[in-house]
Parts: sequence; C-alpha cells; structure tokens
Amino acid sequence: ELKVEQNPLFLSMQEGKNYTIYCNYSTTSDRLYWYRQDPGKSLESLFVLLSNGAVKQEGRLMASLDTKARLSTLHITAAVHDLSATYFCAGTQGGSEKLVFGKGTKLTVNP
Amino acid sequence: DTGVSQDPRHKITKRGQNVTFRCDPISEHNRLYWYRQTLGQGPEFLTYFQNEAQLEKSRLLSDRFSAERPKGSFSTLEIQRTEQGDSAMYLCASSPSLGQDNEKLFFGSGTQLSVL
Repeated sequence: ELKVEQNPLFLSMQEGKNYTIYCNYSTTSDRLYWYRQDPGKSLESLFVLLSNGAVKQEGRLMASLDTKARLSTLHITAAVHDLSATYFCAGTQGGSEKLVFGKGTKLTVNP
Repeated sequence: DTGVSQDPRHKITKRGQNVTFRCDPISEHNRLYWYRQTLGQGPEFLTYFQNEAQLEKSRLLSDRFSAERPKGSFSTLEIQRTEQGDSAMYLCASSPSLGQDNEKLFFGSGTQLSVL
C-alpha cells in the first residue's frame, strides 16, 4: 500500500530565503500532487506531476518528480509571507483514484 | 461561484445521532470524491464516484457511513449513530474526466463535524 512521507513537518523561514520540502513515497505512484491549504480553508491544487523528470513552476514555487528515487520536491525561491500555509503532497497508485496524502508541511515565512 | 459547494459548513451533533452532508460538484465534473481530515493530518480518502456509480470505497468507511450520488450530480454522505471519533472535516472534491484539468481534484471548503 502506498505511503507518503513529507519532511520537514514544520518549517519556519525568513523572507527572501530559499528552501525545499521533500516528499518520499513507498511504492510506484502514477501521479504526484502538491496542494496548498490555508488555515480553515480547503485545498488548492498547485501541481500535478505525471512522469519521471517532470518539473513545473508557478511563481516562487517549483515542483519536480524523480520516480526512480520515489521523491518529489517543492522548492521555494525567495519566500514571501503570502506563502505561509500548509503544503501537502499526495500520490495515487495502481490505477486507483484514491489520493494518499502526506501529513503536510506547515510553512511559516517570517518578515 | 462555480466551485465545489458543501453544506452545511459546520455541524454539531450529539453522539448517536445521524448526520447528512451534501456536496455539489463543479458543473460537468463527473468524478466526485469524499475525504476526511483531522487536525494536523492530511486528508484520508473515503469514497469515489464516477457519475452515479460508487467505484471505490475505503476500508475507513464503516457500515455507519454511506454515500450516494443518485443522479450523477450532487452527492450526500450520511453517518449513522455518530461517535466522537467521527469529529473531523469532511471534504468533497470533483474532477472532470476530460480536458486539461482532468488530473486535478478541486476541493470544496468542507463540512466541520463536531460530535459531543
């Protein structure tokens, strides 16, 4: 059964700095997702990664997928306060529609 | 607003009571999902519909839980004989089968259930 682990679970960083969130998964995943969740709000889709070597970028966020290492990364460039949120990665397996989520990384960007 | 709509936003109930939640997906999205999220955790999959057919169900979905999507549009999730452990945010999501967004799930704002 697919398991998804994120680290770190908590991340406090200063504005302007770069950092990376890691998402490891236990078995082959068909698709890898990144979501953002603000406190008390629902999940917002950021990226969907479908194949090995896939890289997607939106603003200060860049996601990549290495299926051989079973690793996805979410890289934050020059963080700003508005990026403060919880970030989840999730994978699917074996043609199932079920998304298996990690526990999330709570990011706080300090001025 | 054309997003996924869930009702109610909050529900407080006493242990043993039945509750029902409603989800209206984005128009023309034929895939619909229910997830449950507790504080500090990622969402957990409950069930998935394609049109009116319930195609996947989690083992988390005990006999007390039932979901329907009778006409392939809105869906309901019912919990019978609620327990305190059912307290959570219940999230609905929808997705199209075709088009550039067919790999994305669009989530609603959720229904927060508190069982006293």
